[in-house]
Amino acid sequence: NAGVMQNPRHLVRRRGQEARLRCSPMKGHSHVYWYRQLPEEGLKFMVYLQKENIIDESGMPKERFSAEFPKEGPSILRIQQVVRGDSAAYFCASSGGLAGDNEQFFGPGTRLTVL
Amino acid sequence: RKEVEQDPGPFNVPEGATVAFNCTYSNSASQSFFWYRQDCRKEPKLLMSVYSSGNEDGRFTAQLNRASQYISLLIRDSKLSDSATYLCVVNNPTGGFKTIFGAGTRLFVKA
Repeated sequence: NAGVMQNPRHLVRRRGQEARLRCSPMKGHSHVYWYRQLPEEGLKFMVYLQKENIIDESGMPKERFSAEFPKEGPSILRIQQVVRGDSAAYFCASSGGLAGDNEQFFGPGTRLTVL
Repeated sequence: RKEVEQDPGPFNVPEGATVAFNCTYSNSASQSFFWYRQDCRKEPKLLMSVYSSGNEDGRFTAQLNRASQYISLLIRDSKLSDSATYLCVVNNPTGGFKTIFGAGTRLFVKA
């Protein structure tokens, strides 16, 4: 049973380009969460999705960031027109039910570097 | 005040030592609590859930004090492999999903 998969593991973009981060949840999991971790800081919740629905996006920046979890395929976190401050590790987690009642399993993360 | 606050660390302890981490949370409606472990440049992994009655898993003991709104993690007989960052995690059910991670406390166990 494969765990949570994220790709790419490392992503380098120049300012103004787009970054697309992918997350495949653990088999059987329908709840997906995205977090951002800046160097030497804790994880910050960004968005919670279920299949085809955004349940809570209260942690997402208002501009340039979007997320989706289509019926088929991985969840995508998209960052448009990246800036240097977007450089961080982005972790995806999944759970079989609502987190809080169920353990979240994390993927290995995507480390985004904006030049 | 941060929603979840942890001891700033780092903690530097010798092998075999007992070390305790504390974590406080601000929302009295918080319902579930966890300790996660994160190794350098890796993903967080669940260490243990925290219950009001306290729970123990080998050398690790977690306790919750709802009245004072704090959570603790005790590690006995520290091993070199315990070196990591320990994250306190609180789930607040109100206003939709909200999982809040503390900034983490780094532990270094030395030979």
